[in-house]
Amino acid sequence: EPEVTQTPSHQVTQMGQEVILRCVPISNHLYFYWYRQILGQKVEFLVSFYNNEISEKSEIFDDQFSVERPDGSNFTLKIRSTKLEDSAMYFCASSELNRRETQYFGPGTRLLVL
Amino acid sequence: AQKITQTQPGMFVQEKEAVTLDCTYDTSDPSYGLFWYKQPSSGEMIFLIYQGSYDQQNATEGRYSLNFQKARKSANLVISASQLGDSAMYFCAMREGNLAAGNKLTFGGGTRVLVKP
Repeated sequence: EPEVTQTPSHQVTQMGQEVILRCVPISNHLYFYWYRQILGQKVEFLVSFYNNEISEKSEIFDDQFSVERPDGSNFTLKIRSTKLEDSAMYFCASSELNRRETQYFGPGTRLLVL
Repeated sequence: AQKITQTQPGMFVQEKEAVTLDCTYDTSDPSYGLFWYKQPSSGEMIFLIYQGSYDQQNATEGRYSLNFQKARKSANLVISASQLGDSAMYFCAMREGNLAAGNKLTFGGGTRVLVKP
């Protein structure tokens, strides 16, 4: 069964460094999302992306964050200058054109900012 | 006000028994979608079931069913014949508005289920 994949599974970085989290959505899906889950807290929406542009973003998704679909398969989340509070599990999700309501999540990238 | 409320932080269930996980939601939009996701200890989020606000019947997917009570704004998940592999965190989520308005999901705080052999 096709699934969303994410790399790396874990990443440790120093505060102030840039990180890029990578996702490969399900191949025929056209809508892409990033969510995060700070340890012990709720899953929070960050951004949605369709047709090479951001369609919706939350207040969390400030200028430090950016998303990109650099090629036909990858979808990336960049954090320009990481802060301690960016430590979280980051989930990528995707949904297909004709069943857009259902989002399929990847396994997540656990980011630790020191 | 919380958009999605899951009042049970944790619960035990005996293997092979059914369990109901509570979820209440708050929206003034007549069009919305309700979702349940499972998060095992490994961390991934697994889609379980979806209910649209205009769906006449309660959604079912195998051993999962959604008890949708629109007037009460509740969308409880029922897991029948619990298995040891059902031990996980379960999240209720909502999309407000129709899909044209966006597809952002708002999650509840989750309920941790532990299935006892």
